[in-house]
Amino acid sequence: DTGVSQNPRHKITKRGQNVTFRCDPISEHNRLYWYRQTLGQGPEFLTYFQNEAQLEKSRLLSDRFSAERPKGSFSTLEIQRTEQGDSAMYLCASSPGTGANQPQHFGDGTRLSIL
Amino acid sequence: EDQVTQSPEALRLQEGESSSLNCSYTVSGLRGLFWYRQDPGKGPEFLFTLYSAGEEKEKERLKATLTKKESFLHITAPKPEDSATYLCAVQETSGSRLTFGEGTQLTVNP
Repeated sequence: DTGVSQNPRHKITKRGQNVTFRCDPISEHNRLYWYRQTLGQGPEFLTYFQNEAQLEKSRLLSDRFSAERPKGSFSTLEIQRTEQGDSAMYLCASSPGTGANQPQHFGDGTRLSIL
Repeated sequence: EDQVTQSPEALRLQEGESSSLNCSYTVSGLRGLFWYRQDPGKGPEFLFTLYSAGEEKEKERLKATLTKKESFLHITAPKPEDSATYLCAVQETSGSRLTFGEGTQLTVNP
């Protein structure tokens, strides 16, 4: 399978714990995006990388959230001191670097549940 | 701020009953309008990109059209396997993020 891969698929944790998700983009895609989706809503943009540089962050991305993309390959999204409101599906997408309007291809997400 | 509104929220069709989904948008400058399909528990699957008013794209039973204010996704003679949530998103000229609507949940009954 050469699509976007996200791990884990599901994460259950207690409020106040830290969690980290991983995203492996499609090979040779140098743009990588993180979105969050709650039930019945469309995905909401969180942040965007071009290669290893984080170029854009949404105001939704509070200080408790941090994303990295070392060496411009896989990316991690960490949430510190999780809260009930963080429960959502976290989606990763990637697109080629040739043209900003190339379609973004999504993984199947990590579903986070906060107890 | 970009805004995307999709209607209806939910649509039930009988197999073979054609219909259209609507996506109205407000954006300062449109770089592209994207349609995705999302099945339960899965990520959105890319369907079409439309770049300018008057453009049309087709794929099997789906046809997407674009005007300066809205896009339509026409479904011709749908089958039960077309049941899914259809998402519309816009990308403005100044950025790379997608702004999504809330989606239309389509159910096609056999």
